[in-house]
Amino acid sequence: AQSVTQPDIHITVSEGASLELRCNYSYGATPYLFWYVQSPGQGLQLLLKYFSGDTLVQGIKGFEAEFKRSQSSFNLRKPSVHWSDAAEYFCAVGAGSSSNTGKLIFGQGTTLQVKP
Amino acid sequence: KAGVTQTPRYLIKTRGQQVTLSCSPISGHRSVSWYQQTPGQGLQFLFEYFSETQRNKGNFPGRFSGRQFSNSRSEMNVSTLELGDSALYLCASSLEAPNTGELFFGEGSRLTVL
Repeated sequence: AQSVTQPDIHITVSEGASLELRCNYSYGATPYLFWYVQSPGQGLQLLLKYFSGDTLVQGIKGFEAEFKRSQSSFNLRKPSVHWSDAAEYFCAVGAGSSSNTGKLIFGQGTTLQVKP
Repeated sequence: KAGVTQTPRYLIKTRGQQVTLSCSPISGHRSVSWYQQTPGQGLQFLFEYFSETQRNKGNFPGRFSGRQFSNSRSEMNVSTLELGDSALYLCASSLEAPNTGELFFGEGSRLTVL
């Protein structure tokens, strides 16, 4: 069965420090992978996505993620965190037969706290 | 361009009642998906509609239903509400185009069941 695991429920980093949020997936075929961010009381916003090609993808707000098929991972990184990055981050895999499916399987989320 | 609009934003119901939530997708988007978000279960897929047809369905009981209208607006209904139905219900729309896969989410409807 398809699944997404985010091992870290809560992460605290200092402003200006680097960040890596982990995501592991289980999926039989080539996965369509996404990272979304949710601020309190808001919906989800897409940070970046991977469908194929270059395994290092760039997203908005200075985020990037690397797809590693051998490790079934799609970790999110940012070289320097800003206080405004404090939010909840969700990794997701597209569960349909094509990239334009509206059915995603989400991880449990990682809450990022940023210390001044 | 207006985003995904969900109404109402907040509502309180009692057990046994039913509720209808509405979602207006981004103009030109033809696919609408619904998700339930709770602290315990996280984000769970409810169903997806495209061109007024249900294209995908999650693992929820039949009390949860939805529909899509010809203008792509969608509604979901929960009948015989239970305490466990308290959640944030998120609607997302997307273009029907290859290799997009980007869902645009609304801010959600927060349902509290007493």
